[in-house]
Amino acid sequence: EAQVTQNPRYLITVTGKKLTVTCSQNMNHEYMSWYRQDPGLGLRQIYYSMNVEVTDKGDVPEGYKVSRKEKRNFPLILESPSPNQTSLYFCASSLSNRPILTDTQYFGPGTRLTVL
Amino acid sequence: SQQGEEDPQALSIQEGENATMNCSYKTSINNLQWYRQNSGRGLVHLILIRSNEREKHSGRLRVTLDTSKKSSSLLITASRAADTASYFCATGETSGSRLTFGEGTQLTVNP
Repeated sequence: EAQVTQNPRYLITVTGKKLTVTCSQNMNHEYMSWYRQDPGLGLRQIYYSMNVEVTDKGDVPEGYKVSRKEKRNFPLILESPSPNQTSLYFCASSLSNRPILTDTQYFGPGTRLTVL
Repeated sequence: SQQGEEDPQALSIQEGENATMNCSYKTSINNLQWYRQNSGRGLVHLILIRSNEREKHSGRLRVTLDTSKKSSSLLITASRAADTASYFCATGETSGSRLTFGEGTQLTVNP
């Protein structure tokens, strides 16, 4: 089944403890992206990747890192999480690396992160 | 800043009625997409309309785009309780690398 998977789905952690949220897609998509969703603010893009080893900042990249060593994986790393990073996180992918021209984005199920 | 802004923020209707949601944006776009999100879940793509299109249909969905007014509308006809969800518009920058989402419209369809 074609899908985007994220792990973990739920995570409660403490300030300063490094964590990684994994994202994987099995559709051979070029483009991958991370978003966070907060009440009243909609979805905001954190980072995106147009291809392997190519990553770019979105609207809210501060406090996050990403890597794209393989086409299928795009982990989101929080080196020192803080309470303001408590949010619902979504990974998404698109077939081409110019997604807005032709493609839709496929979203993962979300990761609900709480930083105490 | 948010590119797309949906209106209204919340909409409550009865089953069988039509639901109309609007989206306004600020800059030039290549296309505009509508997504649906059931509570706490990932977004699901509904429909894409290109900047050179004015109207598009998909099942019970009808999307219009007015680039002169920088606005779009999503019409769901003959709504069902299962249509209860949040609906987001997303606009694509002309550079082609990013989608920007609005804050969404929460639609409730009462049985």
